[in-house]
Amino acid sequence: ETGVTQSPTHLIKTRGQQVTLRCSSQSGHNTVSWYQQALGQGPQFIFQYYREEENGRGNFPPRFSGLQFPNYSSELNVNALELDDSALYLCASSSIRGTEAFFGQGTRLTVV
Amino acid sequence: ELKVEQNPLFLSMQEGKNYTIYCNYSTTSDRLYWYRQDPGKSLESLFVLLSNGAVKQEGRLMASLDTKARLSTLHITAAVHDLSATYFCAGDDALVTGTASKLTFGTGTRLQVTL
Repeated sequence: ETGVTQSPTHLIKTRGQQVTLRCSSQSGHNTVSWYQQALGQGPQFIFQYYREEENGRGNFPPRFSGLQFPNYSSELNVNALELDDSALYLCASSSIRGTEAFFGQGTRLTVV
Repeated sequence: ELKVEQNPLFLSMQEGKNYTIYCNYSTTSDRLYWYRQDPGKSLESLFVLLSNGAVKQEGRLMASLDTKARLSTLHITAAVHDLSATYFCAGDDALVTGTASKLTFGTGTRLQVTL
């Protein structure tokens, strides 16, 4: 089991609402990446945070935003939720030039 | 832009049989990863392949990387039911971007091992 923890584990929201997901990175890791995994698909890279700044972004609209805190934990915020945002959201922590990313257990978001 | 393709998408195999999952990628990928995912669960790291010709083995699974062919394989030897899961390969271009963990995943191979 990795040292990456995510909260909450499950969440149900209504279309149009906003949601915040949280991730605590593994000790010694300063980089957090977020992924969205729709049912039956591979994870898609959303963005990465390093030293509290966004360090690369995938093909996701601006209503997906994030933060990284001085202790390297991170938040993913999604505004104006749409039904298609229903997915498993995974965060991964690594060191900036590390060779491996370790994933948390994920947050299952359902938008109704 | 890195693209990763896996095949097959679904694999049903009998216990005791051998099979190979293939992972092709479109442009230079500095590292190739294999992950396992059980239903409703997160990703478990299996292998990280860092260089051409790299081969790693763990139990009944063996992964290899051919950077010239832009191909990685995951070979399953004498499958057992416990190996039933979805397997993903993923690449990244860390040497280009300077940052690991911006992974591009394949669509996954759902492996079902039957008795």
